[in-house]
Amino acid sequence: DAGVTQSPTHLIKTRGQHVTLRCSPISGHKSVSWYQQVLGQGPQFIFQYYEKEERGRGNFPDRFSARQFPNYSSELNVNALLLGDSALYLCASAGEGKDTQYFGPGTRLTVL
Amino acid sequence: QKEVEQDPGPLSVPEGAIVSLNCTYSNSAFQYFMWYRQYSRKGPELLMYTYSSGNKEDGRFTAQVDKSSKYISLFIRDSQPSDSATYLCAMRLNTGNQFYFGTGTSLTVIP
Repeated sequence: DAGVTQSPTHLIKTRGQHVTLRCSPISGHKSVSWYQQVLGQGPQFIFQYYEKEERGRGNFPDRFSARQFPNYSSELNVNALLLGDSALYLCASAGEGKDTQYFGPGTRLTVL
Repeated sequence: QKEVEQDPGPLSVPEGAIVSLNCTYSNSAFQYFMWYRQYSRKGPELLMYTYSSGNKEDGRFTAQVDKSSKYISLFIRDSQPSDSATYLCAMRLNTGNQFYFGTGTSLTVIP
């Protein structure tokens, strides 16, 4: 089975632009979470979705939004990009009743 | 105070050494404890998962949780150059799915 997949791998944007990142969870997993990892830091929780509903939100501004589709894939949207949004964005999926998460390879976003 | 504290290192050891990696935490309600390995510019890979206190062993890796001291450890025996990576501890509460990560410890195993 394929693991968690994310696209694109890399992305370069300029300040003020908008970006959409995509994630496909492991087959059968219904929970998707998004994390931001700034260089030299651990991942910071942004959102968790389960069965297309938001189940958790971290301490991020409203410029960050996400959604989950009927096939359990997910999108993370970031508006009005700032230089500080440059980071590795990680998606993680979890199976029902499972207690841990499996991460994708991430999307590296650079904001110039 | 951060919820999870982890010494960022870097840590450099010779091949074959025993490596000890540690995290401390402040929230006594954490119940699930994980260790992830992350190679440069890649996503974290789950290494070990422990519920509540105790030890868990998997090959060369041993995870320990001491909830009374709010302290978790990962031991790597017979370390190999391929173990060179950043090791992240993570934990979560009994409810919800938010994971709280340490900053990661950078490990280099020298051949």
